[in-house]
Amino acid sequence: DGGITQSPKYLFRKEGQNVTLSCEQNLNHDAMYWYRQDPGQGLRLIYYSQIVNDFQKGDIAEGYSVSREKKESFPLTVTSAQKNPTAFYLCASSILRLAGDEQFFGPGTRLTVL
Amino acid sequence: GENVEQHPSTLSVQEGDSAVIKCTYSDSASNYFPWYKQELGKRPQLIIDIRSNVGEKKDQRIAVTLNKTAKHFSLHITETQPEDSAVYFCAAFWGANNLFFGTGTRLTVIP
Repeated sequence: DGGITQSPKYLFRKEGQNVTLSCEQNLNHDAMYWYRQDPGQGLRLIYYSQIVNDFQKGDIAEGYSVSREKKESFPLTVTSAQKNPTAFYLCASSILRLAGDEQFFGPGTRLTVL
Repeated sequence: GENVEQHPSTLSVQEGDSAVIKCTYSDSASNYFPWYKQELGKRPQLIIDIRSNVGEKKDQRIAVTLNKTAKHFSLHITETQPEDSAVYFCAAFWGANNLFFGTGTRLTVIP
């Protein structure tokens, strides 16, 4: 189903806790992305990575951290510094092409802070 | 960076009618414009895309038009069906492999 998976599907966090969202792809894509989706606000880019061991901040990186130790994996950590973390988080991957290409999305993780 | 505006935010049409969703972008350097469909609780999926060297592209009941001079592009769905009901996002590709998304249009097709 698209070759990109996310886990867990639902995640509950207490205030002050860090949580890590998993994203794995078997499409051999170089580029991977994390988006946050809130009602009425579309998709906003948190972080992206074009190559292993390298990643760049997107528009709303504050309170988040990522790593890219393997080509297939791009986990996102939501830290306690993120003021309003309750949202739907989508991971995506694509072929790295300067002219732009389709991004394939994972099924998403819905994070709720209690 | 790029700024993408999308209108309308909600759209209701009768089954069989056409639906049009419009987007504008700010940076003339943007060169790739995909449209994604997201059904309730599901992941966004690409339905059609267009590159800046093309003015129009069609795929069965779906078409996209691009006006580079005016910096706007539109999604056209003809003969709408209930299964077309979803949220549609436009996007513009800018810079180093970044997509900037519009805020989405919730389309409802009334049987």
